[in-house]
Amino acid sequence: DTAVSQTPKYLVTQMGNDKSIKCEQNLGHDTMYWYKQDSKKFLKIMFSYNNKELIINETVPNRFSPKSPDKAHLNLHINSLELGDSAVYFCASSRGNTIYFGEGSWLTVV
Amino acid sequence: RKEVEQDPGPFNVPEGATVAFNCTYSNSASQSFFWYRQDCRKEPKLLMSVYSSGNEDGRFTAQLNRASQYISLLIRDSKLSDSATYLCVVNYGGSQGNLIFGKGTKLSVKP
Repeated sequence: DTAVSQTPKYLVTQMGNDKSIKCEQNLGHDTMYWYKQDSKKFLKIMFSYNNKELIINETVPNRFSPKSPDKAHLNLHINSLELGDSAVYFCASSRGNTIYFGEGSWLTVV
Repeated sequence: RKEVEQDPGPFNVPEGATVAFNCTYSNSASQSFFWYRQDCRKEPKLLMSVYSSGNEDGRFTAQLNRASQYISLLIRDSKLSDSATYLCVVNYGGSQGNLIFGKGTKLSVKP
């Protein structure tokens, strides 16, 4: 039983394309996140949602747009993909002090 | 100044060795502290929280020094399965979105 699941796991796409990554959690958590881990392995928060409301929006290009249709889902849409967007994107959810991550989505922009 | 700093390693140790990782954080208002483990091409997973009094979980011991703003993780009797990257994580309060991750220290345990 996957607690935080995200799809697709691997995505290779051309510059300029628009793509989405979906995330769902079945833990009943109120808070969900998107993190980005770049080639230097630095894990950095992008967005945080609490009960469908945006809580944190770090300095992320507005080509990145999160959408939370309900508190169990937080999708990430990326417009006009650039080479520098290549990274691993982790969805996560939390209640209390523990964050649970999804398995990651490996995005490669060519 | 980086908010959470760790020695990136890699630390290459033989099985059975004791190894220690340190981590420093810059925000003195930080409230809670954690060690996460990340295996190659996998997601980070919580290893243990770090309490002011220090805490132990089997072969793992975590300690916090608020005055010096550093956190440590000690692994005794290293196993091959301990090979991973260990991420120091600091929360300076508020929602969980205030978690700041270090870049991680890579550990490789050899037979």
